[in-house]
Formats: sequence, C-alpha cells, structure tokens
Amino acid sequence: GESVGLHLPTLSVQEGDNSIINCAYSNSASDYFIWYKQESGKGPQFIIDIRSNMDKRQGQRVTVLLNKTVKHLSLQIAATQPGDSAVYFCAENTRGSARQLTFGSGTQLTVLP
Amino acid sequence: GAVVSQHPSRVICKSGTSVKIECRSLDFQATTMFWYRQFPKQSLMLMATSNEGSKATYEQGVEKDKFLINHASLTLSTLTVTSAHPEDSSFYICSAPGQGAAGYTFGSGTRLTVV
Repeated sequence: GESVGLHLPTLSVQEGDNSIINCAYSNSASDYFIWYKQESGKGPQFIIDIRSNMDKRQGQRVTVLLNKTVKHLSLQIAATQPGDSAVYFCAENTRGSARQLTFGSGTQLTVLP
Repeated sequence: GAVVSQHPSRVICKSGTSVKIECRSLDFQATTMFWYRQFPKQSLMLMATSNEGSKATYEQGVEKDKFLINHASLTLSTLTVTSAHPEDSSFYICSAPGQGAAGYTFGSGTRLTVV
C-alpha cells in the first residue's frame, strides 16, 4: 500500500542551529498533513499542520513546507533547543479516508550541547 | 482543551492472559476512535477504527478476534488484547478525531509488556 515518510531515521544538530526534517509521501490524494513530536513513552504532540492548497506555513520557531510536485514535506525548526530532542513524525490524511491518519517512519532528532 | 484519558499507562502481563486498555474522552463525545500500535523505533500503525454503536473496522493483517474493540458509549472505547504473547508487547495509542489541535486528540499511550 501507499506509505508516508521514507527518509532519514536520525538527525543530530547543535543547539542553536536550525533543523530540517524531511518526509516523503506517495498518496497524491492526501490533502492534509500534520507534523507531530513524540517524546519517549508519550503520545504524539501536535506541532504544525498544512493543507494541500498551501506550500508553506509558519508557526512559532517552526515552518512546514509542502512540495506537491515531488510529494515532499519538511519541518524546519529554528534555533533548535535541547527540549526539541524527540522523534518527529509526519502524518497525512487522505480525502475520503474517514479522517484516518497515516504516519511516516519518523526521525529521531538529537540536539547536541 | 480536548483530552483523551488512556489507562493504564503501563501494564505487564503473563503470556496467555488478556489485557484491557481504555480510552475515555473528557469533555467531548468521541463517536470514532482510532487505535494505533507502535513497536520500538517504529512509527504508529493504525490497527483499527472503532465507532460508537457499531462494529470496529480492522486494518489488513490485524486479527479482530485477538484485538477486541468495544465502543459502547460516546466517551469510552476499549481495546482488549486477548491471549497476549510476547510479540504483542508494544505501545498502544488511541486517538479521537474531531477535537484538539489539528482535529485529533491522542491518548498518552499504554506500554504493554507480555512476559
């Protein structure tokens, strides 16, 4: 079946640097995308979302970019902090899928002091 | 904001026994609940979708007789892992659509260890 998120499993960045986490999706019918942060032993925590009619959305210290041409999604974290260390997942919702989310494989972000 | 309370957070059970996980929506009605399973270092995989008052819909490869789902009220959905085996050890997470950030509210997860 189709899947989301076949990119790097780990990313290490220096504190204060910017982080870029990537995600690929293969279902062209997906029209809504969400980035989640998950800390060990906890449920996913919403970070930012974007609809398919947009290509960029900004939040506080985070930006999501959507490139529908190549079916690529990225999460940019500015001035990465130790508290940003976690696993980050992209998730997609496909039109007509009863609101089910399909999660990508995830990226472990480690912030180095 | 919307909260889904999931219990227990951790459970250890003997092989062959059954374990029930509860997800309760607080301050809102959840007519649908998604149940996910997450193995270590892996992503969340949708197991099934429960709907209040009707049978759950299971994803391909998920045994409905092993993972019993009950959604008897608008605020409570339960997942029972029957005759648990060590390979069922995993992190189980529920999610209710329609509320919360981006329209989804997640439970805090249940770490199941079968020994």
